[in-house]
Amino acid sequence: DAGVTQSPTHLIKTRGQHVTLRCSPISGHKSVSWYQQVLGQGPQFIFQYYEKEERGRGNFPDRFSARQFPNYSSELNVNALLLGDSALYLCASSLMPYEQYFGPGTRLTVT
Amino acid sequence: QKEVEQNSGPLSVPEGAIASLNCTYSDRGSQSFFWYRQYSGKSPELIMSIYSNGDKEDGRFTAQLNKASQYVSLLIRDSQPSDSATYLCAVNSQGGSEKLVFGKGTKLTVNP
Repeated sequence: DAGVTQSPTHLIKTRGQHVTLRCSPISGHKSVSWYQQVLGQGPQFIFQYYEKEERGRGNFPDRFSARQFPNYSSELNVNALLLGDSALYLCASSLMPYEQYFGPGTRLTVT
Repeated sequence: QKEVEQNSGPLSVPEGAIASLNCTYSDRGSQSFFWYRQYSGKSPELIMSIYSNGDKEDGRFTAQLNKASQYVSLLIRDSQPSDSATYLCAVNSQGGSEKLVFGKGTKLTVNP
């Protein structure tokens, strides 16, 4: 079975630009969560969506937004990019409320 | 105040030895506990989950949970060089979401 997929794999953006990251969960999983991981730290929770409803939001500014589509795939949007947004962005899916499985991540570099 | 604490390491063990990784958490109401393995440049991979006090074994891995002490550990028996990675402890935070709170990770090196 296919695991969690994310696109793109790598992305380079300039400060002030906007970015959209995409995630497809494991087949049958209805919950998708987004995390940000900077070098040397554990992942930090950004959002969780279940059945297209936001179920949780982490301590991130309003520049970060997300949504989930009827097929349970999800997008994470970040506006007005800052240098500090450079990180590995991870998507995880689960059969709520059980184990979360991560995709390969999108490495975002902001210059 | 950090919510999940791990020894940052690095932890170095010889091949064949037992590696012991420790984690403490602050949210007494946490119910679900996970260990992830993360190779350099890769995403975290779930290796163990534990929900009740006691030990849970899966192959060479044993997770231990003590909710009274707010302590979770991971033992890796017969450590192999391929076990060299960063191990992340994650705790499910209460509040209706599936938010996982992660520690900073412990870097393990298994020397041949």
